[in-house]
Amino acid sequence: AQSVTQLGSHVSVSEGALVLLRCNYSSSVPPYLFWYVQYPNQGLQLLLKYTSAATLVKGINGFEAEFKKSETSFHLTKPSAHMSDAAEYFCAVSDDNAGGTSYGKLTFGQGTILTVHP
Amino acid sequence: ETGVTQSPTHLIKTRGQQVTLRCSSQSGHNTVSWYQQALGQGPQFIFQYYREEENGRGNFPPRFSGLQFPNYSSELNVNALELDDSALYLCASTLGGGESNLYGYTFGSGTRLTVV
Repeated sequence: AQSVTQLGSHVSVSEGALVLLRCNYSSSVPPYLFWYVQYPNQGLQLLLKYTSAATLVKGINGFEAEFKKSETSFHLTKPSAHMSDAAEYFCAVSDDNAGGTSYGKLTFGQGTILTVHP
Repeated sequence: ETGVTQSPTHLIKTRGQQVTLRCSSQSGHNTVSWYQQALGQGPQFIFQYYREEENGRGNFPPRFSGLQFPNYSSELNVNALELDDSALYLCASTLGGGESNLYGYTFGSGTRLTVV
């Protein structure tokens, strides 16, 4: 069964500083991995996804993530934080396997709340 | 594309009652999933429908049921509401047929259910 661990339930950075949100996964098959962002009282917005095409994935709003199989990690980074990045971020792994015959159930981590200080 | 819309946005129900939550998927998306997000937690998978048939279910009791309609709309029904059912319920849609992960899921803004 898949599982996701997000290290750090709260991360605080200064505006302009590097953002690093950590995600480790467990999967019995080559995984599909996702990062979502959730603003207060809103649904989830897809930031980026890893689908085995490239290990370094670029997403929206300047975010990127690197898939490291040896470390079973998929950490999210952004070189320079902006006030508008303050939100909760979720890492997720899909239950689907290569071949795509099963359903794509997403297993989410517990989330990391990012606070950006002026 | 019109995105995924959910209704109502907020709902208050009494323990023991039944509730129906609605979702309108993005046009052309034949796969819809429902998730429960308790306060301070990540979303938990309830079930998924593909072409109007349930094709996957999480660890939720049978009093959680669903329907998917040909017009890309769907419903989540919860019977005999319990206090612990209070949560944000999210609907997500995607192209199915093995393309879900390549395409990604589009989430709605959710329905906040409070059971008192």
